[in-house]
Amino acid sequence: DVKVTQSSRYLVKRTGEKVFLECVQDMDHENMFWYRQDPGLGLRLIYFSYDVKMKEKGDIPEGYSVSREKKERFSLILESASTNQTSMYLCASSKREFGYDEQFFGPGTRLTVL
Amino acid sequence: QQQVKQSPQSLIVQKGGISIINCAYENTAFDYFPWYQQFPGKGPALLIAIRPDVSEKKEGRFTISFNKSAKQFSLHIMDSQPGDSATYFCAASRSGGGKLIFGQGTELSVKP
Repeated sequence: DVKVTQSSRYLVKRTGEKVFLECVQDMDHENMFWYRQDPGLGLRLIYFSYDVKMKEKGDIPEGYSVSREKKERFSLILESASTNQTSMYLCASSKREFGYDEQFFGPGTRLTVL
Repeated sequence: QQQVKQSPQSLIVQKGGISIINCAYENTAFDYFPWYQQFPGKGPALLIAIRPDVSEKKEGRFTISFNKSAKQFSLHIMDSQPGDSATYFCAASRSGGGKLIFGQGTELSVKP
């Protein structure tokens, strides 16, 4: 059974803290994605990666960075957390194969920044 | 031009009724249109998808209707059940491009 796991289901941090969200997939997928989910706004892409050590900005990258040192692991970093980064964060992965675009999602991390 | 607009934001349907969720896109280069289903506490999961070479795709009680000229597509859930209560997202992408552009989501509640 394919699996995307995220390091925490719930996280509470203080304003200004550095926050790490970890994502691991066991499907040998090339593509990995970080989204944030907010009511009424859907899923918005923060960053994605097509390969190890490669990253590309999504639609809302400000205030975030990412790291992909190994194929199976994709980390999202909030350099200095702010209250407007309180949200549900979802990680996803997919194969890099033309015509195959299904993304597999983790269960999400609900982050609260106080 | 990258947006996908989804409506309604929420929907209440009686058991046995038909649920209809609509999406519109702008980018004519999109050629893959999936629908994702998300239950509370879970990540979204692919429900059904269509490519623009067909106007309709049916899987069980779930049907996607696609209108290429209007740049619209919709999800129909026939004989809706309480177990269908979830948030539904439409999305669009250019095949092989990797990125999905998601709609705003529809929270469906099916009343017994």
